[in-house]
Amino acid sequence: DAGVTQSPTHLIKTRGQQVTLRCSPKSGHDTVSWYQQALGQGPQFIFQYYEEEERQRGNFPDRFSGHQFPNYSSELNVNALLLGDSALYLCASSSRQGPYNEQFFGPGTRLTVL
Amino acid sequence: KQEVTQIPAALSVPEGENLVLNCSFTDSAIYNLQWFRQDPGKGLTSLLLIQSSQREQTSGRLNASLDKSSGRSTLYIAASQPGDSATYLCAVRPFGNEKLTFGTGTRLTIIP
Repeated sequence: DAGVTQSPTHLIKTRGQQVTLRCSPKSGHDTVSWYQQALGQGPQFIFQYYEEEERQRGNFPDRFSGHQFPNYSSELNVNALLLGDSALYLCASSSRQGPYNEQFFGPGTRLTVL
Repeated sequence: KQEVTQIPAALSVPEGENLVLNCSFTDSAIYNLQWFRQDPGKGLTSLLLIQSSQREQTSGRLNASLDKSSGRSTLYIAASQPGDSATYLCAVRPFGNEKLTFGTGTRLTIIP
């Protein structure tokens, strides 16, 4: 079992550009959540996808959008990048069939906006 | 709005010592609480998950306790080792949704 995988590992963009991050959930998981972690801070919840729909959203602007595919993998898109979007983006997967819906995290994508 | 606090922000202890990390939360209506470990620039590794009906969970040298009424959890690490050096984060999950609210973490350094 490969666990949760994310790509790319690192990304450098300039202000105003758009970026797409990708996540493959742990085998058997059907739910994907995305978190943003700024340096020295705890992760902040962006949104969650289940059955290809956004089910929950944190306090993030519409510039942040996502998608879930039939194979449960997910993308996070950020438009009109700002310097403040520089962070580690974490994907977590879980199963709604599991006893506690425990979330398992991927290694993250480090986004730097110049 | 749930707020999670972890104090201290950083802690250094000599190898071999037992230590306690603290986590407090403002809303006691939680479904569960998780402790995570994060190495620099890396993702999160789940250490222990405590359901709201449980008082503690143990895994090897780690023991986590939960007191919902007081809004507190502790992570006890026995016989610390240099490999335990990392940032430790706690996160709470409310009933009815899967959003985790994290603290800012405690950066632990074990001195050989």
